[in-house]
This record gives sequence, C-alpha cells and structure tokens, in this order.
Amino acid sequence: DAGITQSPRHKVTETGTPVTLRCHQTENHRYMYWYRQDPGHGLRLIHYSYGVKDTDKGEVSDGYSVSRSKTEDFLLTLESATSSQTSVYFCAIGAGRLLGNTIYFGEGSWLTVV
Amino acid sequence: SQQGEEDPQALSIQEGENATMNCSYKTSINNLQWYRQNSGRGLVHLILIRSNEREKHSGRLRVTLDTSKKSSSLLITASRAADTASYFCATHDRDDKIIFGKGTRLHILP
Repeated sequence: DAGITQSPRHKVTETGTPVTLRCHQTENHRYMYWYRQDPGHGLRLIHYSYGVKDTDKGEVSDGYSVSRSKTEDFLLTLESATSSQTSVYFCAIGAGRLLGNTIYFGEGSWLTVV
Repeated sequence: SQQGEEDPQALSIQEGENATMNCSYKTSINNLQWYRQNSGRGLVHLILIRSNEREKHSGRLRVTLDTSKKSSSLLITASRAADTASYFCATHDRDDKIIFGKGTRLHILP
C-alpha cells in the first residue's frame, strides 16, 4: 500500500466551525489531491498541489482552502463548515501530473457537519 | 468539465459470469485508468491504457479503448464474490487534472 495517512478518519463538527483535514505521504510524490465523494456525484476534485506551496483549484473548491508547506503534507481546511460539506474526503498522491502515472488514494476521512 | 461517465450505474450478475462496464469521455486524452473501490475504502488502481493502445489485459481484467468513439470498457471475466465493488474510470482535463466518473456498482450474486 502507498504510504498515505489521512487524519482524522472520522469527525463530527458543528456548522460554522473551522475544520482541517491532514494528508501525510511517505512516498515523496510531487502531486497531491483532495477529492470529496458524495452519493450521485462520484469523486469530485476540490484542490490539488503540484509542489510545495503550489496549489490550484478543482471543480468544487468553494468553501475550501489548502496549504502545502512540506512535500509530505497537504492540508484541507474548511474555514466555516456547512452541512453541504458533510462528505467523505479522499487524499490522493501521484508522481506525475499527467495520467501516465497512477495516483494512490488514502483511506478517506468521514466528516459530518451538524 | 470533462468527465468519464460509467455505464451502467449498477450491475448484478451471478458468480462466474463476466461483467462489462463502459466509460465515455468528452475530449481527447493521453490515457485512461480504471479504479476499484470496496465499500468504505479508498480507490485502488486496476489498469491504465494509453491512447495508442486498443486493448490491455491484467489477470481477469480486459480493458479496451476506442478513441474514435471516446469510450472504454472494462471486462471482468469469471467474476468472484470479491469483485463486488464500485468501479471508476479516470480521465484528465485540458489542465491535466484527474477527473473521475460516478462509477458502476457491481454486485456479484452467490
């Protein structure tokens, strides 16, 4: 298994509170991604990073911010959580940007906003 | 945004039968991948097929790619209970962001 650790794995939080999810990798891969998975929508890209301090938006980035200060860590922050952000969040890593390189997924973080 | 769309959304077959699922996409790609997701787990890479390939095999998996029709298919032969999972195709958009479809839920009946 690829060395990807997501934390926390499960969290319940209240509307309006900030939440940070962490993705940690031990593979030294350049690319890191945050997806959310919801019934009926499949996996949707939130943000991705192509290097330290280099990030870009995905298709559902509103309400989310990310930071990558070290190669191994990619943080996803919900500044003020809303119920619509209740979801399963997956981090993924890849050695290259093009799909010529496989991406590897973490085990997911289940977030419930009440 | 460009997205692979899997078809059917759900599929139930008897153990031992073959399962076929399809993926359609919108714009030109360099390659396409298939992933599997077991319930409550992350996605696992199955196979990658490049745009200059028409067919690729990996164990009981066979993937085809028709770039003229912008479609791919995943065939699982001699299905087993352990194949019960969701299957996703992944393509990329013009900015090389990796995009997944909504998946096909496969259920293997005993």
